[in-house]
Amino acid sequence: TQLLEQSPQFLSIQEGENLTVYCNSSSVFSSLQWYRQEPGEGPVLLVTVVTGGEVKKLKRLTFQFGDARKDSSLHITAAQPGDTGLYLCAGATNKLIFGTGTLLAVQP
Amino acid sequence: EPEVTQTPSHQVTQMGQEVILRCVPISNHLYFYWYRQILGQKVEFLVSFYNNEISEKSEIFDDQFSVERPDGSNFTLKIRSTKLEDSAMYFCASSESSGSQETQYFGPGTRLLVL
Repeated sequence: TQLLEQSPQFLSIQEGENLTVYCNSSSVFSSLQWYRQEPGEGPVLLVTVVTGGEVKKLKRLTFQFGDARKDSSLHITAAQPGDTGLYLCAGATNKLIFGTGTLLAVQP
Repeated sequence: EPEVTQTPSHQVTQMGQEVILRCVPISNHLYFYWYRQILGQKVEFLVSFYNNEISEKSEIFDDQFSVERPDGSNFTLKIRSTKLEDSAMYFCASSESSGSQETQYFGPGTRLLVL
């Protein structure tokens, strides 16, 4: 069974702080996706990382795929209240295997 | 921008009743999926569907579940005899093709409550 563990589960920070969310698995994935989910809505894709060691940037968000393609991280610089939400990593095959999620709250 | 839509947004039903959750995938997409998210738990894959057939299903997708594409636009999930533990948010998703780099677009979900 392929499992994806995310840490931390919950994170409450002040506006302007930096944070990192981790996604770890014992399995190798051919690609890994990060989603953001807001209350009452479905997950929305942020990025897909494919190559081991790959780094992708999306404005203040930096995504990294581990060299062994078993883990990934999401770093947010200067967090804003609008970043508040549930962040999900998902191992992608023909279906998505979602991680346990990190609930981020950014206080103004 | 095209989007996946789902109806109803909320459904309350009695245990043992049948429910049908409806989805309209993005029009040019060929691959369809159902996921569920029990409150406080992670999003779980239920089933994928392509060319009018189930491509893959999870252990959760037992005989009480079925999927159908009754016409050219709708994709439905039927739960034949609901149980309390079926209470969850059910998400439909669609994609143009399959594969690990393909983007799946999610609908807003149907919140199912079984009493």
